[in-house]
Amino acid sequence: GAVVSQHPSRVICKSGTSVKIECRSLDFQATTMFWYRQFPKQSLMLMATSNEGSKATYEQGVEKDKFLINHASLTLSTLTVTSAHPEDSSFYICSARVGWATETQYFGPGTRLLVL
Amino acid sequence: GQNIDQPTEMTATEGAIVQINCTYQTSGFNGLFWYQQHAGEAPTFLSYNVLDGLEEKGRFSSFLSRSKGYSYLLLKELQMKDSASYLCAVSDSNYQLIWGAGTKLIIKP
Repeated sequence: GAVVSQHPSRVICKSGTSVKIECRSLDFQATTMFWYRQFPKQSLMLMATSNEGSKATYEQGVEKDKFLINHASLTLSTLTVTSAHPEDSSFYICSARVGWATETQYFGPGTRLLVL
Repeated sequence: GQNIDQPTEMTATEGAIVQINCTYQTSGFNGLFWYQQHAGEAPTFLSYNVLDGLEEKGRFSSFLSRSKGYSYLLLKELQMKDSASYLCAVSDSNYQLIWGAGTKLIIKP
């Protein structure tokens, strides 16, 4: 099946530092990757959609200068949380879609970020 | 606006059957997904319905009625490992996934 990996799985950082999260599709080429954030006991919130080789499309209310997304290849997307603050502490999950439109999204295992 | 409704929490007994409902109002429809999410983990794909009717996959079945804007996920022969949140998501006219808040299913022995 389609496997998506994320690294790191867990990260603790100091306030003001930047954190990079990698999302890789291991056995398929992902035309589109998605980044979600999930706070405890809440549903997934889409942050941005990225297509390989083009700029990411951010959802309303998500600061593109704070959450930098790079989708340099069909198998790798990165999310960098710049100048992280405690309120950025959350579960960050990426997903990848094989084809266009109706294809299923396959999720990575998620990255738990704690900002002290 | 776009809206996905599903119950917040349900409780069922091991070995029994449970039905989790999902109603939706979206701008366009390009299919409905069900995902399972265990606590602290990412969602995993369960099913996809785009035509009316019942899709059966082992102990899990998913039903869709597009005219009613309604779907359900049916879980049979419940096992303790089925304790999880079940997320309903609809692909709208722009092929964006609109997510429900999830239904937390608690299985009791």
